[in-house]
Amino acid sequence: NAGVTQTPKFRVLKTGQSMTLLCAQDMNHEYMYWYRQDPGMGLRLIHYSVGEGTTAKGEVPDGYNVSRLKKQNFLLGLESAAPSQTSVYFCASSYRPGGYQETQYFGPGTRLLVL
Amino acid sequence: GDSVTQMEGPVTLSEEAFLTINCTYTATGYPSLFWYVQYPGEGLQLLLKATKADDKGSNKGFEATYRKETTSFHLEKGSVQVSDSAVYFCALTSGTYKYIFGTGTRLKVLA
Repeated sequence: NAGVTQTPKFRVLKTGQSMTLLCAQDMNHEYMYWYRQDPGMGLRLIHYSVGEGTTAKGEVPDGYNVSRLKKQNFLLGLESAAPSQTSVYFCASSYRPGGYQETQYFGPGTRLLVL
Repeated sequence: GDSVTQMEGPVTLSEEAFLTINCTYTATGYPSLFWYVQYPGEGLQLLLKATKADDKGSNKGFEATYRKETTSFHLEKGSVQVSDSAVYFCALTSGTYKYIFGTGTRLKVLA
C-alpha cells in the first residue's frame, strides 16, 4: 500500500495564479482532510470530507476550494494565490474518528511558495 | 471547545538523556489521545495512542499514559538517541470529524 500520497511535492506560484493539489489514499478511508502547517501555529484544518461527494469547511477555508469526486481522491484548489498562502500543505485520511480505526494517516506534504 | 497545550520547544538534550514532553488537554467527553512525530521534510507519523483513562501507549521506547484526573498525556523516553530528533505533536479526537493538534515541540538530540 502507498498510503497517502500528495502531488506535487513543491511548487512556486506567482500572486494571482491558480493551482490544484492532489491527495490520494489507497486505504479505503471515509474521512479526508487538508491542513496547512505554518511555523509556530501547528496544523490548521482547511477543509475536510466525511465521504465521497461531501466536503465541509474547517478553521481556515478562505481562498481554498475542495472536491471529493472519488472516495480515494481529495483535491485542494487555490483560485487566486496570495503570498499568505505560502505554507506546507498536508493531506490526511482516517477510517472514522472515534472508532478503533481512528488513526489519521498523513501524506508527505506539498511545499507551496507564492511570490 | 476542545484544545491541546504542549510545552514549547526547542528541547535540546544529550544522547541517552531522559525525555519528557508535556501535553495537557481540555475536551468534552472521553477523547482518544495521540502523539505524532514529524521528521524533517516528512509528514506526521503516528507514534502512539491511548483511547481511555489509564491506558498507556508505547512504541520505539516512547511511552505516554492517559491521565484523566490531570487531563494530561505526557510523552517520555528513558534514553534518547540522535535519530529521535524531530517535532512531536500531541493530538486528540472526541469522535467527531475533528482532530485537535498542539503546536508541536521540536526535539534536538546532540551526540
